[in-house]
Amino acid sequence: KAGVTQTPRYLIKTRGQQVTLSCSPISGHRSVSWYQQTPGQGLQFLFEYFSETQRNKGNFPGRFSGRQFSNSRSEMNVSTLELGDSALYLCASSLAGTPGHEQYFGPGTRLTVT
Amino acid sequence: GNSVTQMEGPVTLSEEAFLTINCTYTATGYPSLFWYVQYPGEGLQLLLKATKADDKGSNKGFEATYRKETTSFHLEKGSVQVSDSAVYFCALSEQNNFNKFYFGSGTKLNVKP
Repeated sequence: KAGVTQTPRYLIKTRGQQVTLSCSPISGHRSVSWYQQTPGQGLQFLFEYFSETQRNKGNFPGRFSGRQFSNSRSEMNVSTLELGDSALYLCASSLAGTPGHEQYFGPGTRLTVT
Repeated sequence: GNSVTQMEGPVTLSEEAFLTINCTYTATGYPSLFWYVQYPGEGLQLLLKATKADDKGSNKGFEATYRKETTSFHLEKGSVQVSDSAVYFCALSEQNNFNKFYFGSGTKLNVKP
């Protein structure tokens, strides 16, 4: 079974631009979560999607948005990029059926904002 | 609110030493608890988990026991190897919203030969 894939793996953008990151979950997984990982803040939850609906949301500004498609693939978008948005963005998928289920992580997209 | 607190790193050990990484949590009810590991340049991988009080999760020589009374889930290994060098994350998912995860800040482990 293929794992979680994320594209692109690396991105360099300029302040003020916008960016779209993509995540393909493991086949059969309907829940997709996004996290921002930085050295100072650790792993912070952005949002979770299930069946094309956002079910959970972290404490990030509205510049961060996402969506999920009918095939469970997900995208996240960051508009008006700031230097502080430089981070590793991780996507995780899960079956989301029962307590104790684990999340499976992709390798991440490394975003650098200059 | 829910949160996870891990001991600060980095932790540096010699090969074959005993490892303990402390993790405590704040949550209502009975969350599920996890340890994830991140090797350089990779995403997180599940190491072990426990879903109810007194459960012991174990994998690859690592163990952690869900202690409700002390709200802890400490990670232990009897004899570490150089290949165990990585960042370890403690995490929880809520009992009533088990699709929302909270992660600790991570503890970097360096094992020297």
